[in-house]
Amino acid sequence: QKEVEQNSGPLSVPEGAIASLNCTYSDRGSQSFFWYRQYSGKSPELIMFIYSNGDKEDGRFTAQLNKASQYVSLLIRDSQPSDSATYLCAVPRTGFQKLVFGTGTRLLVSP
Amino acid sequence: NAGVTQTPKFQVLKTGQSMTLQCAQDMNHNSMYWYRQDPGMGLRLIYYSASEGTTDKGEVPNGYNVSRLNKREFSLRLESAAPSQTSVYFCASSKGTTSGGASTDTQYFGPGTRLTVL
Repeated sequence: QKEVEQNSGPLSVPEGAIASLNCTYSDRGSQSFFWYRQYSGKSPELIMFIYSNGDKEDGRFTAQLNKASQYVSLLIRDSQPSDSATYLCAVPRTGFQKLVFGTGTRLLVSP
Repeated sequence: NAGVTQTPKFQVLKTGQSMTLQCAQDMNHNSMYWYRQDPGMGLRLIYYSASEGTTDKGEVPNGYNVSRLNKREFSLRLESAAPSQTSVYFCASSKGTTSGGASTDTQYFGPGTRLTVL
């Protein structure tokens, strides 16, 4: 089992819809989780991180964490074509500075 | 405030040639990282430097060496390039801190170097 798993997609949603991106992880000891966005040909940029069970909201983005199920998700409300990108889930390995990245989910938002 | 800068942006090498990728950050961060990104493989850590004067191997260190020149600069060297090292290389930096045991240490990425080894 990979340490961090994501569906590669593409996930296609119409403009204005809610996009739901999912990530599972294998290390039960993981405490914090990061979501990065990467536009084609660009570098990853942080959207948000979460380390408590439940939801964390930041504008149109909501991260949801369920440690019992080892599952973290990112919801994007009112999706826009500009949200079309690859979304990377990342989990710190023991020693916290070693981030392990999933392979990313490609999101396509159609006008 | 430029953030994380990398040079060069593009490079083509022949098998066996050597080169150094340069990275610098102006955010006074303690930690710096080198990743490579390949299709279907995601970002993989090559080497990292938790603080000035220290370096450690990541997941895929073979064929690479690094130097933490000072707090700002972290270089990656390919001594004898191979076609398998064709990739996009990203440098990143972070403060290197935690909060109550859970990492909230955000990594900031440079624009990347696209390397092709023929």
